[in-house]
Amino acid sequence: AQSVTQPDIHITVSEGASLELRCNYSYGATPYLFWYVQSPGQGLQLLLKYFSGDTLVQGIKGFEAEFKRSQSSFNLRKPSVHWSDAAEYFCAVGFTGGGNKLTFGTGTQLKVEL
Amino acid sequence: KAGVTQTPRYLIKTRGQQVTLSCSPISGHRSVSWYQQTPGQGLQFLFEYFSETQRNKGNFPGRFSGRQFSNSRSEMNVSTLELGDSALYLCASSLAGSMNTEAFFGQGTRLTVV
Repeated sequence: AQSVTQPDIHITVSEGASLELRCNYSYGATPYLFWYVQSPGQGLQLLLKYFSGDTLVQGIKGFEAEFKRSQSSFNLRKPSVHWSDAAEYFCAVGFTGGGNKLTFGTGTQLKVEL
Repeated sequence: KAGVTQTPRYLIKTRGQQVTLSCSPISGHRSVSWYQQTPGQGLQFLFEYFSETQRNKGNFPGRFSGRQFSNSRSEMNVSTLELGDSALYLCASSLAGSMNTEAFFGQGTRLTVV
């Protein structure tokens, strides 16, 4: 069965600093990979997704992620964090034949210091 | 266009009762998935409906059930509520039945079981 690991439960960065959130997945074939963001009391918003092709994908709000098959990773990056980026971030994986079922990581809570 | 609408937003129920949650997907979307989010277990997939048929089911007891109507609106029902069922229940709608379309999440229904 597929699984997703987000090793960092909490991360604190200063506003303007760069950010990298880690995500590793376990799945036999090439998965579909997603990053979602959740603000308190809200649903999930899709930041970006990888299905195939270029391994560096651009998303909304200045985020990007790189798929590295050899490392089974899909890390999320942002060159300069804004205070409004404080939220919880979830990596998720889907797979062919799984319909729209997503398996989520446990999330990384991002705190931004002003 | 209108987003995914979940009703009610908040619910308080007593142990042993049953509850029904509703999800109206984005117009034209035919797939609806349900997730349970708790601090301890994170985001867990409950089930997915596509064209009124359950396509995938997560590892939840039979007390959790759902259905989808011809207009794609979906309901989930939890019978004989337990304290551990307290959670944020999220609904996601997708245009098609496969993974190559984006899942849009509602704001969720916060269920508290007392």
